[in-house]
Amino acid sequence: QQQVKQSPQSLIVQKGGISIINCAYENTAFDYFPWYQQFPGKGPALLIAIRPDVSEKKEGRFTISFNKSAKQFSLHIMDSQPGDSATYFCAASKGPGANNLFFGTGTRLTVIP
Amino acid sequence: EADIYQTPRYLVIGTGKKITLECSQTMGHDKMYWYQQDPGMELHLIHYSYGVNSTEKGDLSSESTVSRIRTEHFPLTLESARPSHTSQYLCASSGANYGYTFGSGTRLTVV
Repeated sequence: QQQVKQSPQSLIVQKGGISIINCAYENTAFDYFPWYQQFPGKGPALLIAIRPDVSEKKEGRFTISFNKSAKQFSLHIMDSQPGDSATYFCAASKGPGANNLFFGTGTRLTVIP
Repeated sequence: EADIYQTPRYLVIGTGKKITLECSQTMGHDKMYWYQQDPGMELHLIHYSYGVNSTEKGDLSSESTVSRIRTEHFPLTLESARPSHTSQYLCASSGANYGYTFGSGTRLTVV
């Protein structure tokens, strides 16, 4: 049973465009929602994360939007660059240092020049 | 520099061989994890540890075993490798806050 549903599976965006990746969850006990970025041959690296007490968090060109009532959150990459081409995972967990971080299935982003 | 290290990066091994994948972290994190990553990208938790002498199985059933004799070291062992074990194995650790730090992974191929 997939705890976190992620879409789309793949995404192609023109350089300078906006990339949007969506995730949904069911477990209302989740209280931490990170996004990870993974380049080929590397492990996932934490990109940005949000707690449910805020509806939006922005770090540079990356923004998380969080809708607690809809149990959905999304990653927006503004002014997408070819260097952003990677696989992106959303995730959710219950509490700090939880024994499990539930990952989405991943989105392979390609930014074309 | 605080980090998490996995060796080897790549391993091709014959069926029936015993293998150990190494994972070490220099951050003093109590919690450590092993994830198996499918070729189709999904990450599945196979083992985790809360600290020394603590090991638990994750959501995905695995024939591998782990040990945690030292805080910084969390090796994974396959007693008898099979082609179905071919995958990428990712080690991670976390401290008192929420963040997980991942290693670069070991890509295992069993022929």
